[in-house]
Amino acid sequence: EAQVTQNPRYLITVTGKKLTVTCSQNMNHEYMSWYRQDPGLGLRQIYYSMNVEVTDKGDVPEGYKVSRKEKRNFPLILESPSPNQTSLYFCASSSGRLNTEAFFGQGTRLTVV
Amino acid sequence: KQEVTQIPAALSVPEGENLVLNCSFTDSAIYNLQWFRQDPGKGLTSLLLIQSSQREQTSGRLNASLDKSSGRSTLYIAASQPGDSATYLCAVRGDAGGTSYGKLTFGQGTILTVHP
Repeated sequence: EAQVTQNPRYLITVTGKKLTVTCSQNMNHEYMSWYRQDPGLGLRQIYYSMNVEVTDKGDVPEGYKVSRKEKRNFPLILESPSPNQTSLYFCASSSGRLNTEAFFGQGTRLTVV
Repeated sequence: KQEVTQIPAALSVPEGENLVLNCSFTDSAIYNLQWFRQDPGKGLTSLLLIQSSQREQTSGRLNASLDKSSGRSTLYIAASQPGDSATYLCAVRGDAGGTSYGKLTFGQGTILTVHP
């Protein structure tokens, strides 16, 4: 079954404690991205990757890092989380041609206290 | 900068009614437009994808149209059911020539409630 898998689904952490949200896809997609969803602001792109070792900033990259060492994995790293990063996070993937549909993970609800 | 607007923000209808959700976007330089459904606390489920060269797509009771030149898309749901209750999101895929390659720009969504 084609899918994008995120872990964990829920996470509560304290300010400043580094964390990683993993994302893996089984569709051999080149293009992967991270979004955050906030009430009143909708979904906004954080980072994206066009292929292995190729990443670039989206609209709201501050406070986040990503890496793309393997085609299937695209982890999101928060080096020093702050309360304003409390949000619902989604990983997405699609083919590099971009003319196919985007598949989304189930989301990770992060709370930073 | 691409902006996507969805109207109405919320809609409540009785079961069986046909309904239309609207999506408009400001920049017509798009690859495609995708409609999603989001249930509370859940991820996004893709409903329909329309390429920039297409006018409409159909899947079961759903029909989506695209008028790229006027920056509009509609999602038509026939014979609505309580199970259709969810938030419906419209997203446009940025053109490769833009500054945000392949980015999906989302509208705020329409919250649909279908009551028995």
